[in-house]
Amino acid sequence: EVQLVESGGGLIQPGRSLRLSCDASGFTFEDYAMHWVRQAPGKGLEWVSGIDWNSGVIDYAESVKGRFIISRDNAKNSLYLHMRMLRVEDTALYYCARDMAATGPYYLDYWGQGTLVTVSS
Amino acid sequence: EIVLTQSPGTLSLSPGERATLSCRASQSVSSNYLAWYQQKPGQAPRLLIYGASTRATGIPDRFSGSGSGTDFSFTISRLEPEDFVVYYCHQYGSSSTFGQGTRLEIK
Repeated sequence: EVQLVESGGGLIQPGRSLRLSCDASGFTFEDYAMHWVRQAPGKGLEWVSGIDWNSGVIDYAESVKGRFIISRDNAKNSLYLHMRMLRVEDTALYYCARDMAATGPYYLDYWGQGTLVTVSS
Repeated sequence: EIVLTQSPGTLSLSPGERATLSCRASQSVSSNYLAWYQQKPGQAPRLLIYGASTRATGIPDRFSGSGSGTDFSFTISRLEPEDFVVYYCHQYGSSSTFGQGTRLEIK
C-alpha cells in the first residue's frame, strides 16, 4: 500500500525558515517524481514544487521561487521542502503527492494527508 | 503559466441529476494533459480522471471527462449523495497548475 506521511509543520513567525518532510513507503520511491501542493484554509489547491526521480529537473511556482527549495533522498525514501523567508500568505496545509512517472510533471496519483504550516507573529 | 478557470464556482443539483463542470485554460494544454480530482472535507484530493478522459483505477463509470486544447469538461452522469463535494482540474502539460475548484451542493 502506497503511503505518504508529511511532517514538520507548525506555527512559525514571518521571515523564519521551516523544513517539511514526506516519508514514502509501499512503492519504489526512486522510480517516481514527487510534488508539494498546498491548500490555504478554506481555499483551493496550489501546486508548489516538483522534483523528478534523480533531482535532475526541479520546478517551482512563481509564488515560492527563490524562497523554497525542494529536495529528495532516495536512500531514505524521503521528500523535503525547505521553506525560507516565510510569509503570512504561506499559511496552508502542505501535501506531498506522487507523480505517476519518474520524469514528471504528470498527474498526481497518491497524496499524503498533509502537514499544517501557520505563519503568524 | 497556464491559468485554469473552473465554472461554475458552485453548482446546485439534486441526487440522480447530471452534473457538468467546466475547466478553461488560458492557453492550449499540451497533449491534453488535464486531470480531475475530487476532494471531500478533511481529506486529501483523490485522482478521478487523467489525460482529459481516462478514468483512474477504481473510479466508477458515472464519472467522465472530455475536451481538448483549452476547453475541458467533467461530467457525473447520475449524482450520488457522496458526490456533493469539491472538484479541481489540474494541467500538467506546462509545469503544473490547478483550477480554483467547483463545489457541488445539494439543491
